[in-house]
Amino acid sequence: AQKITQTQPGMFVQEKEAVTLDCTYDTSDPSYGLFWYKQPSSGEMIFLIYQGSYDQQNATEGRYSLNFQKARKSANLVISASQLGDSAMYFCAFHMDTGRRALTFGSGTRLQVQP
Amino acid sequence: EPEVTQTPSHQVTQMGQEVILRCVPISNHLYFYWYRQILGQKVEFLVSFYNNEISEKSEIFDDQFSVERPDGSNFTLKIRSTKLEDSAMYFCASSAIKQGSTLNTEAFFGQGTRLTVV
Repeated sequence: AQKITQTQPGMFVQEKEAVTLDCTYDTSDPSYGLFWYKQPSSGEMIFLIYQGSYDQQNATEGRYSLNFQKARKSANLVISASQLGDSAMYFCAFHMDTGRRALTFGSGTRLQVQP
Repeated sequence: EPEVTQTPSHQVTQMGQEVILRCVPISNHLYFYWYRQILGQKVEFLVSFYNNEISEKSEIFDDQFSVERPDGSNFTLKIRSTKLEDSAMYFCASSAIKQGSTLNTEAFFGQGTRLTVV
């Protein structure tokens, strides 16, 4: 079974600084996808970024980038130039290409951006 | 921008009552999901639905739960006899298969229905 681990229950970052949220996963399947979602206090799940296991380059979406290290089975989210509105819960999630397509989520990291 | 829509946003129900949570997935998506998130905990998979049938379900999705796609647009989750521990945020999600890709990407989530069982 796949396992997703987020070891940082909470993180603080100063406004305008960069922050890295850690995520490691465990799978023997060679083909899979990794996602990051943001959950603000209002509760909705907002898709941020996706990385496929065969993608040659790290995914980037605006201020979000995914530091994908396949050999280490890590998929850390980097947020550059943090803004106060980035304060939220962040979840890493995983799915396999074959078989189960549903997402398996990590336990989340609560990010607080300080002015 | 297309979005997944869930109704109601909040539902309060008496223990033992039946509830139906409704979702309208993105129209050209093929895979539909229900997830739940108990307050302060991580998001847990309940069930996935493809080609008008359940493709996978978790151990949480017992006989009290059922899903249905009654028409071409709605996707519902029914809890037959609610328990206190069913109180959670329930998320509907949908995803599409990209042309030329074997991967599903970008599972879009609705804003959630907060279910409170009293």
